[in-house]
Formats: sequence, structure tokens, C-alpha cells
Amino acid sequence: QSMLTQPPSVSAAPGQTVSISCSGNTSNIANNYVSWYQHLPGTTPKLLIYDTHQRPSGIPDRFSGSKSGTSATLTITGLQTGDEADYYCGTWDNSLSAGLFGGGTKLTVL
Amino acid sequence: QMHLVQSGAEVKKPGSSVKVSCKASGGSFRVYAVNWVRQAPGQGLEWMGRIIPVFGTTNYAQELQGRVTITADESTGTVYMDLGSLRSEDTAVYYCAKGPASDWYFDLWGRGTLVSVSS
Repeated sequence: QSMLTQPPSVSAAPGQTVSISCSGNTSNIANNYVSWYQHLPGTTPKLLIYDTHQRPSGIPDRFSGSKSGTSATLTITGLQTGDEADYYCGTWDNSLSAGLFGGGTKLTVL
Repeated sequence: QMHLVQSGAEVKKPGSSVKVSCKASGGSFRVYAVNWVRQAPGQGLEWMGRIIPVFGTTNYAQELQGRVTITADESTGTVYMDLGSLRSEDTAVYYCAKGPASDWYFDLWGRGTLVSVSS
């Protein structure tokens, strides 16, 4: 069981906005940057957000990241059917001296 | 542009070990962190560990301590992940992923190596 908690699934209609939460603690999210990854079956994971807020080149501004205390959030606006994928948060844990991924959230675009 | 080229699929017996390689093409690992991440069938991503050649440091997931070793051969630009005492639960796709040495995120991934553990 991951130390970073994500909802197993979220769903929304095309064009709508969805938020995916990632809950941790003071050893990880509260004191470190958070990254987010999109993973489609049969492909390699793709970096969406790094350093909590930053988007790599080529990632549309429909994807945004935020953090408050021990929780982080990925928000996707203007949902498209191509956004259907598994989404993972990740961060470093200072107590474990190890990296952590959340359990993943399956996004369904209805 | 840098690419990460991983070794091919492996089939192993329980109790044996596997060594998966990850070679940097078009660049050097030395100033980056090279991480290993795996995904078992139907499961999520699991961080296994990393090596930062410029610092000469490694970190490993607690659950895998003692079974996993990550090494780097700077002369060939190759990073290796060695996992021992294999169990059926180690059946997974193993990815290498590059990131900055002073941060924790992965901006370049290898295509993955399937390791199957079965008697």
C-alpha cells in the first residue's frame, strides 16, 4: 500500500474539469516537490508536471499542478477523450530517503 | 537527443537473479540520476531505486533493500539493475528513467523490459 494516497478512479465528460488528489505527510509532500505522470497502456509514462507546478515543454496548459500542506492536486481542464489514462503522483520521502509513487488514478472521459 | 535503450525481455526461475541494463544513447548519465521503476501486471508504478554517478550515491526502496543493486559503468554509459532472490511477484515491466541529480522527477524513460518469473 502506497504512502501517497490517490483516488482509484475519477470520471468526467469531455470539456469538463477534473482534479486528482494525492495525499501524503510531512515527510514527503509537505516538504518536497511533487511530480505527475500520465501512463497509457502499452506506452511509457510521460512527465506532466514537475516541481509541483512546472510543465515540461510540449505539455499543454490544460494540465496544472498545485500543493497545499500534505496534499497535491493535478487539475485537467477542457477534458479530451485522449486524456483517458492512469495518472500517478510522485515525490521524495525524507524519512525513508526513497522515492514514492501514489497508487494511481484511472481517468475515464465519459 | 538522448535516448535510453534497455536490454531485452527475460524469463527467470524463482530464487534466481536478473540483471537489466539501460544504456544512454546521445548523451551521458554522469550528471543525472538514473532511476528504476517497475510495474507489475494490473498494478501501479513502483520506484525501486536510483544511482547518481556524479555523486557516487545510490538509494533504494525499503521493501527491496538487500535484493536490489544499481550500478553504473561510466565508460560505456550503461546503468544496471540487479534484482536477486526472484519471486513470482517480481514479474513486471522494469523501466529505467532519467532525472536531475538534485531533484526527483523523471523526464526521460526507457521503453521497459519485461521480466517474467516462473517455475
